[in-house]
Amino acid sequence: NAGVMQNPRHLVRRRGQEARLRCSPMKGHSHVYWYRQLPEEGLKFMVYLQKENIIDESGMPKERFSAEFPKEGPSILRIQQVVRGDSAAYFCASSARDSNTEAFFGQGTRLTVV
Amino acid sequence: DAKTTQPPSMDCAEGRAANLPCNHSTISGNEYVYWYRQIHSQGPQYIIHGLKNNETNEMASLIITEDRKSSTLILPHATLRDTAVYYCIVTANAGGTSYGKLTFGQGTILTVHP
Repeated sequence: NAGVMQNPRHLVRRRGQEARLRCSPMKGHSHVYWYRQLPEEGLKFMVYLQKENIIDESGMPKERFSAEFPKEGPSILRIQQVVRGDSAAYFCASSARDSNTEAFFGQGTRLTVV
Repeated sequence: DAKTTQPPSMDCAEGRAANLPCNHSTISGNEYVYWYRQIHSQGPQYIIHGLKNNETNEMASLIITEDRKSSTLILPHATLRDTAVYYCIVTANAGGTSYGKLTFGQGTILTVHP
């Protein structure tokens, strides 16, 4: 059973470009969470999605960031018009439908904006 | 979610037990205690969680005090590979919602030395 898969592992974008980060949850998991870890800082929750629904986006920046989890395919975190401050590690986690289960994290995508 | 307090850093000798404390004095009745760790910028790794009873798995033991205001994560035989940041997180069982929305604090940097 493969774990949470994130790709790419490293992504370099120039200022103003778009960044697309992908997350494939563990098999059987229908809940996906995105977190951001800025350099030398802790992990911060961004958004919680279920298939085709955004459940909680309280941690998402108001502009340029969006997330989706379509019926088929991976979850996508999209950052438009990236700026240097977007440089961070972005982690995805997934969990099963049932309550009282733990979330499993992927290895992250390290975004560098140059 | 209730706030947690952890020491910023701890040392442990290889082969000895590592006991990591966590205070969560404002924990409420439906909140679980979760432990994750992050090894050098990798994705956070789930360790263990519990509600009121002590728990043990292949990685660690979790001891929760009777009043649930504090807990201790025990790594019975620490190895060099256990060097990581350990996060104690308290989160509620929101009626079947999964446990992927986690509030990470600063954690405890555990250094295991030879």
